[in-house]
Amino acid sequence: ELKVEQNPLFLSMQEGKNYTIYCNYSTTSDRLYWYRQDPGKSLESLFVLLSNGAVKQEGRLMASLDTKARLSTLHITAAVHDLSATYFCAVSRGGSEKLVFGKGTKLTVNP
Amino acid sequence: EPEVTQTPSHQVTQMGQEVILRCVPISNHLYFYWYRQILGQKVEFLVSFYNNEISEKSEIFDDQFSVERPDGSNFTLKIRSTKLEDSAMYFCASRGFEKLFFGSGTQLSVL
Repeated sequence: ELKVEQNPLFLSMQEGKNYTIYCNYSTTSDRLYWYRQDPGKSLESLFVLLSNGAVKQEGRLMASLDTKARLSTLHITAAVHDLSATYFCAVSRGGSEKLVFGKGTKLTVNP
Repeated sequence: EPEVTQTPSHQVTQMGQEVILRCVPISNHLYFYWYRQILGQKVEFLVSFYNNEISEKSEIFDDQFSVERPDGSNFTLKIRSTKLEDSAMYFCASRGFEKLFFGSGTQLSVL
């Protein structure tokens, strides 16, 4: 059974600081997604990572994938208040359409 | 950017009643999904749909649930006899090649 663990589950940080959210998964996968969710809203696609060593960046967010370690990271650079949200990673296993989500990391960026 | 649309945004129903949640996936996408999120919890897979049939379903998706693509644009989730524990946000999603796009969700409240 594919399991996805994120940590930390809660993250409070100051504006301007850097931090990393970790996503570990238990079996080989073919796709890893990062999503952002604001309270009461839908899931906004941030990144999809398909291969070992993949790195994608958008603004202050950078995601990477290490398939050998079964680990993805979401790095936040010089955080701003607008980044406050819950971030989910989600993984699918080869041959399956089912995405398994982590519990999410609730990020609060304080001025 | 194209989007997945869902209606209604909120649905209140009495236990035991049937509900139909509606979705219009992105037009050139081939894979369609339903996920749900109980308040404050992680997102859970319900079902995937491809080529006019269910390709995969979870243990949650029992005989009380069904999906249909009645025409070329709509994708529906029916819950035959709702239970209190069906209260959740239901998200429709569609996928083209890589990215999985989620709709804004239907908040279902079963009283």
